[in-house]
Amino acid sequence: DVLMTQTPVSLPVSLGGQVSISCRSSQSLVHSDGNTYLHWYLQKPGQSPQLLIYRVSNRFSGVPDRFSGSGSGTDFTLKISRVEPEDLGVYYCLQSTHFPLTFGSGTKLEIK
Amino acid sequence: QVTLKESGPGMLQPSKTLSLTCSFSGFSLSTSGMVVSWIRQPSGKSLEWLAAIDWDGDKYYNPSLKSRLTVSKNTSNTQVFLKITSVDIADTATYYCARIAAIPLFDYWGQGVMVTVSS
Repeated sequence: DVLMTQTPVSLPVSLGGQVSISCRSSQSLVHSDGNTYLHWYLQKPGQSPQLLIYRVSNRFSGVPDRFSGSGSGTDFTLKISRVEPEDLGVYYCLQSTHFPLTFGSGTKLEIK
Repeated sequence: QVTLKESGPGMLQPSKTLSLTCSFSGFSLSTSGMVVSWIRQPSGKSLEWLAAIDWDGDKYYNPSLKSRLTVSKNTSNTQVFLKITSVDIADTATYYCARIAAIPLFDYWGQGVMVTVSS
């Protein structure tokens, strides 16, 4: 299975600040079709995960442009600008290039 | 509007079979490319993909649990089921169903159903 390693585990932030979350995979996530199937989710307290970013850098419908994704190969980053209270929760990366699909271990964004 | 909702027993004893149902609306599982998956999350831990069934009835299982999992759907393509045999305490988790559409990712999730395995 592809191991997805997220850092940091916990990320204190001031409201209005900017943060970055790293996700590294044990294998390249470039699919044979040329796409990279690396996605980002936010799980707010007591809720299901919600899709933020798909295929590295594409924002899902309704996701504000404060969220941006980048990276390639095995190294990916989610950046959140102007952090708002509604952004707090646990962020997960997901790879769907290789079977079985695997999630990162999560990064908890919390108020400093 | 796409919605999914899981249902299950809440609690069951070790060695029993866990049966879960995902009821959904707002899309048809008979549409080419549609998939419904099961994912679980122990309390305070990350997410684990378990199984999936697609519009054509093809089934996919996480190899780590394959021998214990069975995924199926009803003939009207409005519900997907998951059975896990021989449960133990390690199967205690919140179980989610989620949709996969055009891109292999989970775009819509159910609210989850908590399952506790305890004697």
